Amino acid sequence: GESVGLHLPTLSVQEGDNSIINCAYSNSASDYFIWYKQESGKGPQFIIDIRSNMDKRQGQRVTVLLNKTVKHLSLQIAATQPGDSAVYFCAESLQTSGTYKYIFGTGTRLKVLA
Amino acid sequence: KAGVTQTPRYLIKTRGQQVTLSCSPISGHRSVSWYQQTPGQGLQFLFEYFSETQRNKGNFPGRFSGRQFSNSRSEMNVSTLELGDSALYLCASTVGPTNEKLFFGSGTQLSVL
Repeated sequence: GESVGLHLPTLSVQEGDNSIINCAYSNSASDYFIWYKQESGKGPQFIIDIRSNMDKRQGQRVTVLLNKTVKHLSLQIAATQPGDSAVYFCAESLQTSGTYKYIFGTGTRLKVLA
Repeated sequence: KAGVTQTPRYLIKTRGQQVTLSCSPISGHRSVSWYQQTPGQGLQFLFEYFSETQRNKGNFPGRFSGRQFSNSRSEMNVSTLELGDSALYLCASTVGPTNEKLFFGSGTQLSVL
């Protein structure tokens, strides 16, 4: 079946540096994307979303970039902090019959080094 | 505003038993979705309810079922548990009918022995 993202890799960054987490999605027709953060023992936490009619969207310390040409999504975290350590995964979705159906990636583990 | 609440937080069952998990969505949210999360498969979609109606269903066997009540609270049931059903079961809610911006609960960790 379709899949989003890669096997769970680990990204280690120094505290204060910027982090870039990447995601490859599978369906060129997907029109809505979300990034989630999941800490150990907790459920996924909504970070930021973007629609396919946009290339970039910024939030607080986070930026999502969408490249539809190569079906690639990235999450940039500015000034990474220890509290950013978690698994991050993306979700692609396509609105069908009035509702979005999601496909989630397996995620990237972000480790922030002090 | 309280988030999505799932109970119980942990469950241990044996093969062949059945289990019922509960989810209370964020106040005002009418859509509830259920996902199974395992280390190898990531999040797999189980089903989605809106206004007490199942709108979508994933590729899980009929042992997995769910329902939604008039107050938007939802339950999922797994009958005849198998070892492979061990997973974190996550509930997510959204406010509107289009199911945007899923907000997840902390999940129920089910262990089948």
